[in-house]
Amino acid sequence: AQKITQTQPGMFVQEKEAVTLDCTYDTSDQSYGLFWYKQPSSGEMIFLIYQGSYDEQNATEGRYSLNFQKARKSANLVISASQLGDSAMYFCAMTPNNFNKFYFGSGTKLNVKP
Amino acid sequence: DVKVTQSSRYLVKRTGEKVFLECVQDMDHENMFWYRQDPGLGLRLIYFSYDVKMKEKGDIPEGYSVSREKKERFSLILESASTNQTSMYLCASLQRNTDTQYFGPGTRLTVL
Repeated sequence: AQKITQTQPGMFVQEKEAVTLDCTYDTSDQSYGLFWYKQPSSGEMIFLIYQGSYDEQNATEGRYSLNFQKARKSANLVISASQLGDSAMYFCAMTPNNFNKFYFGSGTKLNVKP
Repeated sequence: DVKVTQSSRYLVKRTGEKVFLECVQDMDHENMFWYRQDPGLGLRLIYFSYDVKMKEKGDIPEGYSVSREKKERFSLILESASTNQTSMYLCASLQRNTDTQYFGPGTRLTVL
């Protein structure tokens, strides 16, 4: 069975500082994809970043980077230079190779303080 | 830009009513998904579809059914709504060349 664990229900970070949101996953598949989504209070789910299990380099998208440690089965999201607009729920997700199913963690609520 | 729309942002229904939630995408995606989101539980997959008239159960299909008669439209049906189906319902479609799901704005359903 696939499982995604986000152990931080809520986090605070000071504006302009970096923050790491934790995600661990459990799968027996050799090939899979890892995703992070942002959900502001308005409710829409916004795709942030993707990492394939065979990608050797960590994915980066602007201020977002994914710290992928395959042996530890972790896929932490790092947000650099936090902004007030980063305050939101963040979800880690995984899909097996066939991309027919996506599994989501329970989310981390990030609050950025001015 | 990919656009996924859902028929209602907010919906209030009574126990026992039949409820239809509609989802439409405009990018000719084959894979579409229905999730429900509850606090502390994240998103849980109800059903998904990988082509017209094709569907598969997700992790929590009980009490729900789906319909995919046209490629762009994926409907979630609650045959007899119950109070424990009060939740946020999110639809998504998958862009295969980027392996990315795009979500609709969600429907917050309250069953009284």
